Amino acid sequence: GAVVSQHPSRVICKSGTSVKIECRSLDFQATTMFWYRQFPKQSLMLMATSNEGSKATYEQGVEKDKFLINHASLTLSTLTVTSAHPEDSSFYICSARISHQETQYFGPGTRLLVL
Amino acid sequence: AQSVTQLDSQVPVFEEAPVELRCNYSSSVSVYLFWYVQYPNQGLQLLLKYLSGSTLVKGINGFEAEFNKSQTSFHLRKPSVHISDTAEYFCAVSDRPMDSSYKLIFGSGTRLLVRP
Repeated sequence: GAVVSQHPSRVICKSGTSVKIECRSLDFQATTMFWYRQFPKQSLMLMATSNEGSKATYEQGVEKDKFLINHASLTLSTLTVTSAHPEDSSFYICSARISHQETQYFGPGTRLLVL
Repeated sequence: AQSVTQLDSQVPVFEEAPVELRCNYSSSVSVYLFWYVQYPNQGLQLLLKYLSGSTLVKGINGFEAEFNKSQTSFHLRKPSVHISDTAEYFCAVSDRPMDSSYKLIFGSGTRLLVRP
């Protein structure tokens, strides 16, 4: 149980285009989903916290207009990287949490390469 | 602010040897503590967690960790490692009582390299 999927697993796009990444909780309802960014050989940095039906809460230094997060249902959150640039290339990981539980369950990650 | 320190960026060890990966956190308040493992190009998998109760926590794949409140540590141990344990290991902490977001703060990670 507690499986989280991400789609796509890899994406290559041209600079200036937008990319959408989906995060789904497959066998549970996730009241809260989190989006992280991980640079090579570094730790995970929390970008934003997303609660179903409300606006995401962004961490300091994360541009909310560039990284659009939508949590439209209890099983789906999306991250859209708008007008992507090469410096946005990274590994993006989502996680999901069941209501009143402490554990976050992580997706497999999405590798974004902006050319 | 909460912080997590993983003192060793890389730990090389021979197969079947014991290993300890160190983790210290900064908070003086009660916390939840987690260890996650990440294999190359994959997401994170939960190894074990401490929420309350016994300070010795057993997890998957033969790993265990001990919560030491006085030393604010949560070191991960395994008595005998396998080649397949080669991966990146992350310690994470979450304050409790938590706000509704249950945010995790991660350490910088420790790469466990198991050699034959």
